[in-house]
Amino acid sequence: NAGVMQNPRHLVRRRGQEARLRCSPMKGHSHVYWYRQLPEEGLKFMVYLQKENIIDESGMPKERFSAEFPKEGPSILRIQQVVRGDSAAYFCASSSGHPGLETQYFGPGTRLLVL
Amino acid sequence: DAKTTQPPSMDCAEGRAANLPCNHSTISGNEYVYWYRQIHSQGPQYIIHGLKNNETNEMASLIITEDRKSSTLILPHATLRDTAVYYCIVISFGSNYKLTFGKGTLLTVNP
Repeated sequence: NAGVMQNPRHLVRRRGQEARLRCSPMKGHSHVYWYRQLPEEGLKFMVYLQKENIIDESGMPKERFSAEFPKEGPSILRIQQVVRGDSAAYFCASSSGHPGLETQYFGPGTRLLVL
Repeated sequence: DAKTTQPPSMDCAEGRAANLPCNHSTISGNEYVYWYRQIHSQGPQYIIHGLKNNETNEMASLIITEDRKSSTLILPHATLRDTAVYYCIVISFGSNYKLTFGKGTLLTVNP
């Protein structure tokens, strides 16, 4: 049973470019969460999605960041016009049922470096 | 959610049991105690969780005191691969899915 998969594992972008991070949840899971971990800091919640719906994006920066979880395919976290401060590890987690009742399982993360 | 307090670091000899404490004195009745760990450069890994009874799985045991104000994660036979930051968090199921990881405990397993 494959776990949560994320790709790419490492991503290098120059300032102003777009970064696109992908997350495939565990088999049977329909809830996806994105977290960001800045260097030397803890994980911070960004967004919670179900298929084709954004449930809670209260942790997302107001500009340049967007997320989707289409009916088919992985969840995508998109960062437009990246800046150096976006350099961080981005983790995706998934759960199977009600988000307050099911354990979240994390992927290996995507490490974004903005030059 | 209740706040948790953990020691910043601990050492353990390989093959010995590692006992990681966590205080959560303001925990309420519907809050679960969860443990995750994060090995350097990897994603957080779920270990175990419990409400009020002691729990055991293939990775660890969780001992929760009767008043639920503290708990201990036990790794029965620590290996070098168990070196990681261990996070104790309290989750109020049904109302909060935004996991918040504090500083945790850096467990170093020594050969």
